[in-house]
This record gives sequence, C-alpha cells and structure tokens, in this order.
Amino acid sequence: EPEVTQTPSHQVTQMGQEVILRCVPISNHLYFYWYRQILGQKVEFLVSFYNNEISEKSEIFDDQFSVERPDGSNFTLKIRSTKLEDSAMYFCASCTGPGSYGYTFGSGTRLTVV
Amino acid sequence: ILNVEQSPQSLHVQEGDSTNFTCSFPSSNFYALHWYRWETAKSPEALFVMTLNGDEKKKGRISATLNTKEGYSYLYIKGSQPEDSATYLCAFLRSNYQLIWGAGTKLIIKP
Repeated sequence: EPEVTQTPSHQVTQMGQEVILRCVPISNHLYFYWYRQILGQKVEFLVSFYNNEISEKSEIFDDQFSVERPDGSNFTLKIRSTKLEDSAMYFCASCTGPGSYGYTFGSGTRLTVV
Repeated sequence: ILNVEQSPQSLHVQEGDSTNFTCSFPSSNFYALHWYRWETAKSPEALFVMTLNGDEKKKGRISATLNTKEGYSYLYIKGSQPEDSATYLCAFLRSNYQLIWGAGTKLIIKP
C-alpha cells in the first residue's frame, strides 16, 4: 500500500537554528498538508498546498515557516529560526481530494528544540 | 470559535463489549467529517470520510453515523478486541478544506 514517508523521524536542534523536515507524499495525490501536535495537545493545522502553492495557512504558520515542493516529489517544511515552543511532532499528509478521501499521514518527525 | 469536541476523553472497555463515542462539530460551512484511528507510535489512519447528513459507514466491526444539522457523529465498535486499543480522532473539514481536529477519545480494551 502506498505510504507517505517522512524524514528524519527525530530531530534535535538548538534554539535559533534552521530545520528542514522532509516528506514524500503519495505520487498521485494532489493536496499536501503539514500538521503538528505539541505533546498532550490537539493536532493543529499548519498549512495546505495545492497546485504548487499554499492554499491555506493557520496563524501558527508565520514568517518563520515556509514550504516547498522543489522537485515534484519532496514536500518540505522549513522553520528558519526554531523556538522552544516549536518542539512537537510534525506530520505530513496528502490526499487526492479532501472532501471525498481521507488523508494519508506520514509517521511524523519529532522535533525537539533545546 | 471553531471547535471540535470529542467525548469521552478516554474509555476503558472489556474485551467483547461494544462501545461508542461522540464527535461534535460546528454545523455551518460543513464539507466533510473524517474519523481516524491513531495507534501509539504510528501515524493516524483514515477510517471514514462522511459527507451526507444521515450517512452511515461501516468497516468490519466499526461503524459511524453523521448528523450535519445538529453537528455530531457517533463511532461504534462492536465486540471490542485488544487490537482496537487506540486513540480515535475526528476532524471537521470546512468548505475551505481546512481540517479541524478533535482532541481524540483514547480507547483501552481490557482483556
């Protein structure tokens, strides 16, 4: 069964450093998303991406965040200058059509900012 | 304020018993309601995507119903098994395709 793959599975970084989280969505999916879950809290929407551009972003997704689909297969989330409160599990998801199909999630990247 | 509420937060059920839990969501700007099953150390797995009022979907021993007018969905598990232990998340998909998540119901099946 096709999978969404995320790398790395765990990243530890110093506050103020840049991190790039990588995702390879399912190849025939058209919509891509990043979500995060801070330990003990709800899953939070960050950004959705369709047709090579951001279609929606939350208030969490400020200027420190950016997404790219550089080569048609990878989908990356960059955090320019990490803060302690960015520590969370980051999930990438993709789907063919959000109204009709469930999202397929990657296994997540646990980001720890120290 | 857009909020998706799930109850109960956690549930202990004896193996073989049936159980159900609730997801409440805003009734305006409804596009779809998603249910996911999330096992520890794995990624959320889609169970159902429901779009029509009165919809009922079934997957094995798990089924779900949807009431978009009053803004709730029920998930039912018949004859619970240990492998059903997981957190069950619902998510409300708005008409702008933003998915808003509930906090989940953690289900623990006691053998």
